Amino acid sequence: QVQLQQWGAGLLKPSETLSLTCVVYGGSFSGYYWTWIRQPPGKGLEWIGEINHSGSTNYNPSLKSRVTISVDTSRNQFSLKLTSVTAADTAVYYCARADIVLVEAAQLVYYYYMDVWGKGTTVTVSS
Amino acid sequence: SSELTQDPAVSVALGQTVRITCQGDSLRRYYASWYQQKPGQAPVLVIYGKNNRPSGIPHRFSGSSSGNTASLTITGAQAEDEADYYCNSRDSSGNHRDVVFGGGTKVTVL
Repeated sequence: QVQLQQWGAGLLKPSETLSLTCVVYGGSFSGYYWTWIRQPPGKGLEWIGEINHSGSTNYNPSLKSRVTISVDTSRNQFSLKLTSVTAADTAVYYCARADIVLVEAAQLVYYYYMDVWGKGTTVTVSS
Repeated sequence: SSELTQDPAVSVALGQTVRITCQGDSLRRYYASWYQQKPGQAPVLVIYGKNNRPSGIPHRFSGSSSGNTASLTITGAQAEDEADYYCNSRDSSGNHRDVVFGGGTKVTVL
């Protein structure tokens, strides 16, 4: 059974860099999108970005200038860096495994899902 | 970029049926996935694809789709189903690079 274990600093000052890592236990690292999501207090889920095993990334356009997601396949782990944090970056950060499946080739219909999640890391930005 | 729209809150009597909807242009190309989140916990995938339930998800959860609208139905809601529910897909505009979530629906079981 695949499990994700995540860790990183939980308290940052404004302008510092958020750094989180997620390690994948018990499953293949290839063939999936390894994803970061966050949830500000009392709000909904926000996709931050993703990386695949070969290092190809996609980022949320609203965060793209400050986000870097990297992968270390030798350790089955991937990491998130978010620079120049402010109070608006205070949130619970989750890592997750995602996949895309083409189900109707003729009409190009897919499904996308995140089936395994880490427990979340609370990150607070405060001076 | 595309958006997914959900009603903020719905309520259902214990044992009755509730349907949660999610609307967005990307749902014409992607079946929505649905996540249940209880306070202080990580989201849990409950429905993905046309109507697939991961192992361990009760049969009372089902999904459907029509046009730009996806629905999650809980048939015979239980007290433990009280939670926030989020829909999700990739953004079908551009190169399908972005991922979008609905704003979430809070389900209260009365």
